[in-house]
Amino acid sequence: ILNVEQSPQSLHVQEGDSTNFTCSFPSSNFYALHWYRWETAKSPEALFVMTLNGDEKKKGRISATLNTKEGYSYLYIKGSQPEDSATYLCAPSGANNLFFGTGTRLTVIP
Amino acid sequence: DSGVTQTPKHLITATGQRVTLRCSPRSGDLSVYWYQQSLDQGLQFLIQYYNGEERAKGNILERFSAQQFPDLHSELNLSSLELGDSALYFCASSPRGLSYEQYFGPGTRLTVT
Repeated sequence: ILNVEQSPQSLHVQEGDSTNFTCSFPSSNFYALHWYRWETAKSPEALFVMTLNGDEKKKGRISATLNTKEGYSYLYIKGSQPEDSATYLCAPSGANNLFFGTGTRLTVIP
Repeated sequence: DSGVTQTPKHLITATGQRVTLRCSPRSGDLSVYWYQQSLDQGLQFLIQYYNGEERAKGNILERFSAQQFPDLHSELNLSSLELGDSALYFCASSPRGLSYEQYFGPGTRLTVT
């Protein structure tokens, strides 16, 4: 089982604050890194898939970076809004498997 | 709405029984993935099918099996059910393999009594 660590486990921020989370994973046999946003009582929603070292992706106020050599990815949220409240999961994959971290639970306080 | 459908939404059955969960991927997607989320564990990858063939395998028990049909829908068969199999089972689909974004269905909640 791939050891995927996400930090922090939970986070409370004020509306308008910017924030970031970390996903750490073993760098060997790396194939792709997925980020998902998961709201309570809903299904996970894909945010990004990254494959190359140095990849940076952006979707609105959310962006992510990838370092495959040292085995980490950052997710950034700029100007957090209450609707950003969710659990953010990362999932690194090898060519034939995929492992989820336990997630970072973000609460944005209005 | 992701475009991925799963049936049934809820399923209640007894220990020792067998059930089948069904998933229809988004139009055009060739890969289907199955995941399990139980109370005491996070999201666990079970298995991936690509265009009818098994492509990747995760922590899927031998009592569980899956297949993908020519019309690309998939079924997950769970047999000799145990209390610990109670969980939310998600299906997801993607255009190709693991380097593509996956779109999750609404899930099937299985309760084994």
